[in-house]
Amino acid sequence: QKEVEQNSGPLSVPEGAIASLNCTYSDRGSQSFFWYRQYSGKSPELIMSIYSNGDKEDGRFTAQLNKASQYVSLLIRDSQPSDSATYLCAVSSGKLIFGQGTTLQVKP
Amino acid sequence: EAQVTQNPRYLITVTGKKLTVTCSQNMNHEYMSWYRQDPGLGLRQIYYSMNVEVTDKGDVPEGYKVSRKEKRNFPLILESPSPNQTSLYFCASSTGAANKQYFGPGTRLTVT
Repeated sequence: QKEVEQNSGPLSVPEGAIASLNCTYSDRGSQSFFWYRQYSGKSPELIMSIYSNGDKEDGRFTAQLNKASQYVSLLIRDSQPSDSATYLCAVSSGKLIFGQGTTLQVKP
Repeated sequence: EAQVTQNPRYLITVTGKKLTVTCSQNMNHEYMSWYRQDPGLGLRQIYYSMNVEVTDKGDVPEGYKVSRKEKRNFPLILESPSPNQTSLYFCASSTGAANKQYFGPGTRLTVT
């Protein structure tokens, strides 16, 4: 069983829509959760951190954490073509464990 | 500017020719790590270091070596590269193993 799971996609949304990216994890003891954005051929860039249950908003991005259900999600409001990238979920479990990423395509 | 740097950014080499990819960070981070990224396989950790002179194997250490003689530097050494080591490599640093990591720009290695 994979420790951090993401749907590889691609997830395709029209410009201006809300993109919803999901991630589940297996270690109930995980305390820290991160979302990275990675453009093709570039390095992962940290965009959100979340540590407690609930929502955390930063501009157009909202991270949601539900430790009881062991999932973390990322919502991108008013999606733009420049948001087209692969989004990596990372979960602390002794060390940082990365999911394989979800590819998001935002179509003009 | 806080950053992680890697050199070279691109490298084409031949099987068996030893090479070193350098990694340096200016954030005084204790923890540093090397990953390789291949299509369909995601980020896989090669080696990590908790501090100076403390290194350990990650998930895919075969064919690689590392050293940590200074806090800021964490070079990756391929003593006898093989074509299956063709990949995109990232160095990362953080304040701890389970904390957010900051990535270098990546090194695209091709071994022929």
